[in-house]
Amino acid sequence: SQQGEEDPQALSIQEGENATMNCSYKTSINNLQWYRQNSGRGLVHLILIRSNEREKHSGRLRVTLDTSKKSSSLLITASRAADTASYFCATDSASYGKLTFGQGTILTVHP
Amino acid sequence: EADIYQTPRYLVIGTGKKITLECSQTMGHDKMYWYQQDPGMELHLIHYSYGVNSTEKGDLSSESTVSRIRTEHFPLTLESARPSHTSQYLCASSERVGRGASFGTQYFGPGTRLTVL
Repeated sequence: SQQGEEDPQALSIQEGENATMNCSYKTSINNLQWYRQNSGRGLVHLILIRSNEREKHSGRLRVTLDTSKKSSSLLITASRAADTASYFCATDSASYGKLTFGQGTILTVHP
Repeated sequence: EADIYQTPRYLVIGTGKKITLECSQTMGHDKMYWYQQDPGMELHLIHYSYGVNSTEKGDLSSESTVSRIRTEHFPLTLESARPSHTSQYLCASSERVGRGASFGTQYFGPGTRLTVL
């Protein structure tokens, strides 16, 4: 099965609420990255967290990494309708020699 | 904003036609990638390149071929398109980060949505 798996598969919230997405993986990693994709477009890099880091912030984004549980979470605070998109985690693993993307979480933020 | 471009953005073509999807980047990145993505689904790596004259097949078996004659250019070709090739094709590039095989940020183009009738 794949290296990165995300949950939930879909998340629907109201503007102003926080959104949390989770990513689990199977093998040791060099880093883990989160990307955003608007419908029908390419992916945009959001944040990279290295294996020796536990938490990282960028604006309204907060990413945590727990290497003992092989999991990461992406928190978007004070969500906006413009945050509506699919969010993918991607793991950089020496075992695979490439970046492996999860299935993504579809986030819908209602105004 | 990433300096990586894909053309065409949309392509509708009949079965049996030969097509080339173009991808170019102006960031001087050595690594380039092609992914295939069906709507709402995960990305599947179909080809990648570590530099000029380097091409490798990815996870997902694909009947397409690629070439890397210039650093900035990584075209994908389908010799004979079929309806099963209908999908979105995403091109990306990245530079190596640090020592070893660690990957940094990948920069994606806008994608080519291919429909084969």
